[in-house]
Amino acid sequence: QVQLQESGPGLVKPSQTLSLTCTVSGDSISNGGYSWSWIRQHPGKGLEWIGSIFYNGGTYSNPSLKSRFTISLDTSKNQFSLRLTSVTAADTAVYYCARGTIFGMTIAYFDYWGQGTLVPVSS
Amino acid sequence: DIQMTQSPSTLSASVGDRVTITCRASQSISRWLAWYQQKPGKAPKLLIYKGSSLESGVPSRFSGSGSGTEFTLTISSLQPDDFATYYCQQYQSYSTFGQGTNVDIK
Repeated sequence: QVQLQESGPGLVKPSQTLSLTCTVSGDSISNGGYSWSWIRQHPGKGLEWIGSIFYNGGTYSNPSLKSRFTISLDTSKNQFSLRLTSVTAADTAVYYCARGTIFGMTIAYFDYWGQGTLVPVSS
Repeated sequence: DIQMTQSPSTLSASVGDRVTITCRASQSISRWLAWYQQKPGKAPKLLIYKGSSLESGVPSRFSGSGSGTEFTLTISSLQPDDFATYYCQQYQSYSTFGQGTNVDIK
């Protein structure tokens, strides 16, 4: 059974950097058949795909978002991470990590999700 | 960017009703569409992928159809566990979600 678990700070101050980690069990992130993704949901709103990373470190990012996001892999720990710089209150959201299937050479749908972690941005 | 528009935004229904949710894409996405169910405080759950393929373990009362720019999710007989918010997602080009359809009790 594939499981994903997000971890990170409970609160981030404006202008700081947010770092989140997703720990994967039941599958290897080195598995070439999947992507590893971050998706967020602003309070009371819909879902927004942030970006995805493949086993070889290749990344896809949401072109509608400014390039403040970085996604990276740590295969030794079977984890992947999200880093968001210069946060503002608009970045307050529940952040989900998810496993994505692959469509051609890019991302497809998300079949396993973490439970999500709420990250408030406030001074 | 490909925009996804769901309708209606809210749908009130009773147990046993047939429910249909529509998702429209701003350009053709072939059949590269998925549907998810989300309950309050929980992560989304994959229901349908590639427009009409049922994810393993999902009840057969859920079905998807469509191609190109118009897609539907149908629940043939609404059950108490189905009251939730439903999202469509395109993966023709990157990934975009619809704004969601909340199915609540009539």
